[in-house]
Amino acid sequence: GAGVSQSPSNKVTEKGKDVELRCDPISGHTALYWYRQSLGQGLEFLIYFQGNSAPDKSGLPSDRFSAERTGGSVSTLTIQRTQQEDSAVYLCASSYYLAGGGNEQFFGPGTRLTVL
Amino acid sequence: QKEVEQDPGPLSVPEGAIVSLNCTYSNSAFQYFMWYRQYSRKGPELLMYTYSSGNKEDGRFTAQVDKSSKYISLFIRDSQPSDSATYLCAMSDSTSYGKLTFGQGTILTVHP
Repeated sequence: GAGVSQSPSNKVTEKGKDVELRCDPISGHTALYWYRQSLGQGLEFLIYFQGNSAPDKSGLPSDRFSAERTGGSVSTLTIQRTQQEDSAVYLCASSYYLAGGGNEQFFGPGTRLTVL
Repeated sequence: QKEVEQDPGPLSVPEGAIVSLNCTYSNSAFQYFMWYRQYSRKGPELLMYTYSSGNKEDGRFTAQVDKSSKYISLFIRDSQPSDSATYLCAMSDSTSYGKLTFGQGTILTVHP
C-alpha cells in the first residue's frame, strides 16, 4: 500500500514569505506527527494530532508555525514570515494510535525547505 | 545538554566489519527504544525496536538496551556497502502518545 506522502519535495522561498507543507498519512493511521530535521540537530518534534483530540503543539518553535489536520487525514504545516533559520527538512510521520506509546511511526520523504 | 546524545561520526568502515553505534540518554522515563535508518534524501525507516532493557537480534542487526546505564547500542555484523546511511536512535516514554526524542544521528559509510 501507499506510504506517507509529502509535498512539495523541495521548496525555495524568500525570507518573509509564507509557506505551506502538506502531508498525506497512511490510510487508517489516526496519529500524525510533524518533525523538523536541521543540519547537526537531528529530528525535533513539532506537533502531534490524534483523531479529534486537541493537538499537542508543544514542539512548535514560534507562533509563526501552525498546523491543521482536516477530516482526520491530510495535514498542512504553515510557516508564516519565513526566516533563514527555518531552513530544514520537514518530516511527517503517521501511526496507529497506541495508548502509552510504543507505536511504530512511518515517515514520509520530507519537504526540504530553503529560505533565501 | 540534550536528552539524547549520539556521536554524529562520521564513521567509515571496510565491508565485513562489525559496526557499533551508541546513544546515551538522561530521561529515566524512556521505555521504548528504536533505531531508524535514513538514506540520503529519504525519510527514516524503523530498523529495530526494543521495549525496556535487554537484547534483540534481527539478522545482522542486534540492539541492546541498558536502562541502568541509560545506554543503548546497535551492532551491525558483516557490514555491507548498502548499510551506508545515517542511523538515528529514538526513544519515547509510556506516559505520552509515542512522541519520539531522537539522537543527532551517526553517518555510516561502508566501503567495499
